[in-house]
Amino acid sequence: EAGVTQSPTHLIKTRGQQVTLRCSPISGHTSVYWYQQALGLGLQFLLWYDEGEERNRGNFPPRFSGRQFPNYSSELNVNALELEDSALYLCASSLSQGRYQETQYFGPGTRLLVL
Amino acid sequence: TQLLEQSPQFLSIQEGENLTVYCNSSSVFSSLQWYRQEPGEGPVLLVTVVTGGEVKKLKRLTFQFGDARKDSSLHITAAQTGDTGLYLCAGAYVGSARQLTFGSGTQLTVLP
Repeated sequence: EAGVTQSPTHLIKTRGQQVTLRCSPISGHTSVYWYQQALGLGLQFLLWYDEGEERNRGNFPPRFSGRQFPNYSSELNVNALELEDSALYLCASSLSQGRYQETQYFGPGTRLLVL
Repeated sequence: TQLLEQSPQFLSIQEGENLTVYCNSSSVFSSLQWYRQEPGEGPVLLVTVVTGGEVKKLKRLTFQFGDARKDSSLHITAAQTGDTGLYLCAGAYVGSARQLTFGSGTQLTVLP
């Protein structure tokens, strides 16, 4: 069974540009989570999508946005890039059964460098 | 704001030594997960604990969930160089709508 996949693996952008990152969850998983991991820091929660809807977002500005498609894949968009947006962006997926936490499985991440 | 404190932040030991990593919070978890992450890759799930007092073993790794479900520990016996990596705990707090909060991680280096 294929795991969570993310694209691209690496990306270099300049300040002010916009970027779109993509994530395909494990087959059968309907929840997708996005995290930002800056160098040397832990994972910071960005967004959670479930059944096509945004369920929660972390403490990030509105220029971080995303969406989930009918096939449960997801995109993360970051507008007006800033230098501090340089980080590893991780996507995770989980089953969506009931209101309790299901195990999250992570993709390999997209390494974004903003110059 | 719910905080998940992980300690130590860095750990460097010799091969064959034992070590323990701690994960603590003032709030109760509905479940807690431990991950290991290698540089440039996503975290890989090691174990999920859900019951207070639960102990799970994965070869040389022993995971314990506190009786009150507010803390957890990861113990590695006879560490090997292949155990090197970033160890992350992540908790789902009661009532947090299925969202994980991650600790800041413990960077473990096992020297030959």
